[in-house]
Amino acid sequence: AQSVAQPEDQVNVAEGNPLTVKCTYSVSGNPYLFWYVQYPNRGLQFLLKYITGDNLVKGSYGFEAEFNKSQTSFHLKKPSALVSDSALYFCAVRDFTGRRALTFGSGTRLQVQP
Amino acid sequence: DAGVIQSPRHEVTEMGQEVTLRCKPISGHDYLFWYRQTMMRGLELLIYFNNNVPIDDSGMPEDRFSAKMPNASFSTLKIQPSEPRDSAVYFCASSSRTGGVDTQYFGPGTRLTVL
Repeated sequence: AQSVAQPEDQVNVAEGNPLTVKCTYSVSGNPYLFWYVQYPNRGLQFLLKYITGDNLVKGSYGFEAEFNKSQTSFHLKKPSALVSDSALYFCAVRDFTGRRALTFGSGTRLQVQP
Repeated sequence: DAGVIQSPRHEVTEMGQEVTLRCKPISGHDYLFWYRQTMMRGLELLIYFNNNVPIDDSGMPEDRFSAKMPNASFSTLKIQPSEPRDSAVYFCASSSRTGGVDTQYFGPGTRLTVL
């Protein structure tokens, strides 16, 4: 069975500083990996995905994520955090078989302080 | 495109009542997913459809839950009878296989409270 771990319930960072939100996964075979963001009382918004190819994936709003196969990680990063980045971030995985369901992590709340 | 549309956005009902949640996927998308979000269990898949056909309903909690997709532009999730433990945010998402590995796009959710 596939699974996703987000080890930090909350990440605090000062505005302008780089941020990292951690994600590790477990899946049979090659993974498809996703990051979503959820603002209060809103649905999940897609940020980026890794399918294959370059290990560094660039996404929306200046976010990027680095796929590391040996460490089974897919950490979300941004060089300079904004207060408006404060939200709940979810990592998700799907295996390469035909089943299209996403397995989500528990979420990490990012708090960016002015 | 208007994105995935869900209604109602909020629903408060009493235990034992029937609840129907509605979803309109993005036009042209051939996959539709229903997820449930709770503090205890996080985000979990309930069921998904491909071309209006249910493919995987292994996440549906019990017989009280049922989902239908009568056409490509409409789906319902019904709970009958509802129980307080069904209180959660229910999300609908849709995706298209066109162009490679599909990305799921989520609706705003329906917050269900069962008293």
